[in-house]
Amino acid sequence: GAVVSQHPSWVICKSGTSVKIECRSLDFQATTMFWYRQFPKQSLMLMATSNEGSKATYEQGVEKDKFLINHASLTLSTLTVTSAHPEDSSFYICSAIRGGSGTEAFFGQGTRLTVV
Amino acid sequence: EDQVTQSPEALRLQEGESSSLNCSYTVSGLRGLFWYRQDPGKGPEFLFTLYSAGEEKEKERLKATLTKKESFLHITAPKPEDSATYLCAVTRSGAGSYQLTFGKGTKLSVIP
Repeated sequence: GAVVSQHPSWVICKSGTSVKIECRSLDFQATTMFWYRQFPKQSLMLMATSNEGSKATYEQGVEKDKFLINHASLTLSTLTVTSAHPEDSSFYICSAIRGGSGTEAFFGQGTRLTVV
Repeated sequence: EDQVTQSPEALRLQEGESSSLNCSYTVSGLRGLFWYRQDPGKGPEFLFTLYSAGEEKEKERLKATLTKKESFLHITAPKPEDSATYLCAVTRSGAGSYQLTFGKGTKLSVIP
């Protein structure tokens, strides 16, 4: 199956600092990537849709100035949490759509962000 | 608004005890229904995609089926390593529409 690599798998940062999370599709080109946030015992909540070479589309209620998304190539999207606060602590997961006839989304391993 | 409801929220099975997980959905034009497995602290792992009512797919001890209103994930003779949260998601038909709407999942525990 297709492989999506997310890095780092966990990070602890101080309040007020910024954190960058990378999402790479290793063996396929992904024109579209998604970023999700997951709270304990809850399902995945879509934050934004990222298309290569264009601005990300954010879901309602998601602050685009806090969660900066860059999709500079067909294999890499990044999510930067700016001026992080403890309430931003969560599990962040990316996914990528493999082009062609399939529509399956493949997910990264997730990043556990803890803001102290 | 698309909705996905999974039941039960949690399920405990003895090893070898077969059962089914349910996913009910409401979507205006189904493009695909997806099943994922998620282990604690990990991202979802793709299992199946179903596109039309009557379709069935199998993988080892798992079998997914689809009707116009719901999908079932049947697990036959489960083993402890099948313990995980199983997520169901749908995408809506339409140009460029690949966004997944997820259910809250069913947490499966298989007891040796």
